[in-house]
Amino acid sequence: SQQGEEDPQALSIQEGENATMNCSYKTSINNLQWYRQNSGRGLVHLILIRSNEREKHSGRLRVTLDTSKKSSSLLITASRAADTASYFCATDLYGNNRLAFGKGNQVVVIP
Amino acid sequence: DAMVIQNPRYQVTQFGKPVTLSCSQTLNHNVMYWYQQKSSQAPKLLFHYYDKDFNNEADTPDNFQSRRPNTSFCFLDIRSPGLGDAAMYLCATSMGLAGVNEQYFGPGTRLTVT
Repeated sequence: SQQGEEDPQALSIQEGENATMNCSYKTSINNLQWYRQNSGRGLVHLILIRSNEREKHSGRLRVTLDTSKKSSSLLITASRAADTASYFCATDLYGNNRLAFGKGNQVVVIP
Repeated sequence: DAMVIQNPRYQVTQFGKPVTLSCSQTLNHNVMYWYQQKSSQAPKLLFHYYDKDFNNEADTPDNFQSRRPNTSFCFLDIRSPGLGDAAMYLCATSMGLAGVNEQYFGPGTRLTVT
């Protein structure tokens, strides 16, 4: 099954800075979702972008989707220590909610 | 608060000894999923239930089975755990399958095989 691939895999930033992470995938998708996972915990849904959308915002989160390049980016603005987590992208090929997750970006926000 | 609950949070089992992990939900969602997440890896979908309909992923080993006796509960059975089955097992739910449905995850059960 297809998986997204995030790049870079580890990011360390100062509080207040912006964090950007990327995800690429191989085949056409119905939608792409981003999830956050705090250490040793379950995943929390952050934002979903459909294949016909190019950009979405939710609070301090901004997601872009470039279907021609088969890539997505997640931007977290004005990062906080509480944003320290792993971030995963997940692709839904057919809109049937069977998600294929990428490897994840570990983000550390230093207070 | 409506939520997805997994018990136990930590489970230790012996090589080859059957083990069952439990998931319950108060969201009244139709779909329940089981994912396997090995250390520093992506979650991998094992199977899901839409109501009582079971859907196995093609590459899920036969060693893994699931039961959903009612809407609220779903179990993951590992018939003969191997060392390679040590992982975090995540349960998730969603309202449906068609269209766009956010998945809600439980905290996970970390399985150790000795």
